[in-house]
Amino acid sequence: TQLLEQSPQFLSIQEGENLTVYCNSSSVFSSLQWYRQEPGEGPVLLVTVVTGGEVKKLKRLTFQFGDARKDSSLHITAAQPGDTGLYLCAGVRGNKLVFGAGTILRVKS
Amino acid sequence: NAGVTQTPKFQVLKTGQSMTLQCAQDMNHNSMYWYRQDPGMGLRLIYYSASEGTTDKGEVPNGYNVSRLNKREFSLRLESAAPSQTSVYFCASSVTGGSGDTQYFGPGTRLTVL
Repeated sequence: TQLLEQSPQFLSIQEGENLTVYCNSSSVFSSLQWYRQEPGEGPVLLVTVVTGGEVKKLKRLTFQFGDARKDSSLHITAAQPGDTGLYLCAGVRGNKLVFGAGTILRVKS
Repeated sequence: NAGVTQTPKFQVLKTGQSMTLQCAQDMNHNSMYWYRQDPGMGLRLIYYSASEGTTDKGEVPNGYNVSRLNKREFSLRLESAAPSQTSVYFCASSVTGGSGDTQYFGPGTRLTVL
């Protein structure tokens, strides 16, 4: 059983569309991180959210941490082909990360 | 700076063979990690080293051993490979290993055990 559930597992959209990826858990985390991974490479950190209710923006990407610090969402506005990749959320527990299974995003031009 | 480097990039083993995956970082980080990534499972922590001279088990340590050779290098050894160990292995490092610390990942080693 995955401690962090991500949905959807796969998403295929047209360039210019908006999308939201969800990361849910029954457990509380001290903070939560979002990573992006491209084929043949390791994950790269996008953002860390720490405070319940926190919202962070990174250009067209908006990250939100739930009030209870159990869930998070990633919203992409006007998706571009360069956004294609695997998006992973990771809950922080002390010095360890607990990863979700990931959402594969494909943006078609 | 090369960041985190891993060797080899690809490896095919037969059941029962042994091998060592190498990882090195040039960022003067204290903490290093080994993960495996399987389809539909995300990344799972195998072992980690909070600082030079210390190692601890993660979520899935069975069948693996590690060595923190020095501050730069952290190796992962499979003593007797099994098909269930077919996976992509990632090494990562972070400055302190503290809560929310950024982990920097290597490019991965794709291992197939026949």
